[in-house]
Amino acid sequence: ETGVTQSPTHLIKTRGQQVTLRCSSQSGHNTVSWYQQALGQGPQFIFQYYREEENGRGNFPPRFSGLQFPNYSSELNVNALELDDSALYLCASSFNSGENTGELFFGEGSRLTVL
Amino acid sequence: AQSVSQHNHHVILSEAASLELGCNYSYGGTVNLFWYVQYPGQHLQLLLKYFSGDPLVKGIKGFEAEFIKSKFSFNLRKPSVQWSDTAEYFCAVNAIGGATNKLIFGTGTLLAVQP
Repeated sequence: ETGVTQSPTHLIKTRGQQVTLRCSSQSGHNTVSWYQQALGQGPQFIFQYYREEENGRGNFPPRFSGLQFPNYSSELNVNALELDDSALYLCASSFNSGENTGELFFGEGSRLTVL
Repeated sequence: AQSVSQHNHHVILSEAASLELGCNYSYGGTVNLFWYVQYPGQHLQLLLKYFSGDPLVKGIKGFEAEFIKSKFSFNLRKPSVQWSDTAEYFCAVNAIGGATNKLIFGTGTLLAVQP
């Protein structure tokens, strides 16, 4: 167990709807990253939050947004859902000490199906 | 742009066979390298990592990987696989010195070990 918890584990939405996914980071970690893992693909970096601000973003449109709270937990919001947004969304936490090592601890993911 | 290639998408082995999964990355600078494993129904787990030093690194469950800088490779090996090694394996890199603790993943290799 990594101590990273995500909710919900599964959800189904329809095109055009909005979704919010939640993540609690591992104790002692101050950075949260979100990844999208489509079927048959490796995880792709969406963005990272540190000190409640986005400090890095992958190739995802603005309708993917996030938040980090003072307790380091985080939300991923996706607006105007499209069929291609169907995927496993992974949250990963880490401790940013000023030196990014890339070592991440992943949650079990939220599987989103868009119909 | 950074990228990671995993040569084998699907590997089928019998128990006790030896395993080698290929991984090559594309990046001109210094990197940290990782292998993650995803067992059926479970979260991504760190198998092993290379930051610096001895290019032959040992991980959990008898896995090891060798970093060959001249070949931009980080192949995963295990001398004798078990049925419980059935899982999906992901190679990942992190560019050192970047502002973001971001991992670039390969597309994964699905390993099926037959008893």
